Amino acid sequence: QKEVEQNSGPLSVPEGAIASLNCTYSDRGSQSFFWYRQYSGKSPELIMSIYSNGDKEDGRFTAQLNKASQYVSLLIRDSQPSDSATYLCAVKPWIQGGKLIFGQGTELSVKP
Amino acid sequence: GAVVSQHPSWVICKSGTSVKIECRSLDFQATTMFWYRQFPKQSLMLMATSNEGSKATYEQGVEKDKFLINHASLTLSTLTVTSAHPEDSSFYICSAHGPGQEDSGAYEQYFGPGTRLTVT
Repeated sequence: QKEVEQNSGPLSVPEGAIASLNCTYSDRGSQSFFWYRQYSGKSPELIMSIYSNGDKEDGRFTAQLNKASQYVSLLIRDSQPSDSATYLCAVKPWIQGGKLIFGQGTELSVKP
Repeated sequence: GAVVSQHPSWVICKSGTSVKIECRSLDFQATTMFWYRQFPKQSLMLMATSNEGSKATYEQGVEKDKFLINHASLTLSTLTVTSAHPEDSSFYICSAHGPGQEDSGAYEQYFGPGTRLTVT
């Protein structure tokens, strides 16, 4: 089992719809969870971080964390063509050192 | 916000030569920096963790004698690809988090813009 798993995609949604991206992780002691957006040919950009169970909203983005189910998700409301990118889920495990474990990414395509 | 820069943004070199990539934290001090490599259509692969004033910690399978990392100050880490070969052609990205964040709940890691290396 991979440490961090994401839906492989690609995920295609129409403009204005809600895009739902999912991520599961194996280390139950993981502390911190992040969503990065990566446009083709660019480096990842941090868009959301979440540390406790529940929902965290930032504009059109909502991150949801359920530590009991070892599940974290990202919802993008009112999806725009500019949201088309690869979304990377990253988890900071319990072990010290600070490194993040990344999922393989989900490619999102928002069709006009 | 936390800004990380990299230089150069792209580089083309001949096989057998060495290339140095710089990673700088511009508005904060970074005790730890990370170096990643990414091949097309693949996810990030962590190569090594760079700690200021000490030796880097390399991930399994990464040749430390080929990928030399130096973290000489709190704002600069360098990655040198020695005796580069075409298979080293990739997108190299660094990231950093500031002091005190490593084990805190406010941990966030920011990426530089990346360096695209092409070895001919």
